[in-house]
Amino acid sequence: DGGITQSPKYLFRKEGQNVTLSCEQNLNHDAMYWYRQDPGQGLRLIYYSQIVNDFQKGDIAEGYSVSREKKESFPLTVTSAQKNPTAFYLCASSIDRVGQVSTEAFFGQGTRLTVV
Amino acid sequence: DAKTTQPNSMESNEEEPVHLPCNHSTISGTDYIHWYRQLPSQGPEYVIHGLTSNVNNRMASLAIAEDRKSSTLILHRATLRDAAVYYCILLAGGTSYGKLTFGQGTILTVHP
Repeated sequence: DGGITQSPKYLFRKEGQNVTLSCEQNLNHDAMYWYRQDPGQGLRLIYYSQIVNDFQKGDIAEGYSVSREKKESFPLTVTSAQKNPTAFYLCASSIDRVGQVSTEAFFGQGTRLTVV
Repeated sequence: DAKTTQPNSMESNEEEPVHLPCNHSTISGTDYIHWYRQLPSQGPEYVIHGLTSNVNNRMASLAIAEDRKSSTLILHRATLRDAAVYYCILLAGGTSYGKLTFGQGTILTVHP
């Protein structure tokens, strides 16, 4: 089945450690995104990538890093510089081609990160 | 980015219609109106989108005001599985389809 997969579902990290969240899609989508959601809040954009080997900062990129070496994969690293990393992290993908009729984004099931 | 305003919460009874309003008075001519919903502890799910004309799909209907300054998501017969947070989002034409600006959304409670 085509879809977008995030792993792990739950992640615990000690303060001061970096941690990498996985996001893989087999939808052949060009664009991928990372969002963060805090309790009772909407989603906020961390980073996005419209093409392999290129990515842009979103609204809250500080303390995070990404890579896009393959079209299917867009891992997010939460670094020790992120002051409040405990949150629900969501990855999404979409078609992103000039001239396409506006369409939808597909979201993964999320990774809940807790700093202990 | 143009903003949207939604009620914090709404309630409905099962099998009754639900009308979820959204105000977007600063919408521009190229902004599409998208609706997503999010069930607890899950990623958001696309519901419907439109530009000027009313739209129907298997999940819902979208009614867009003539001046496009407001819209209404219509669930024709609410079920318990429709209980979720519903987000109304404006997406400028040509913007990446996943580059979404989420507000607080409307928490929909469906009573049996």
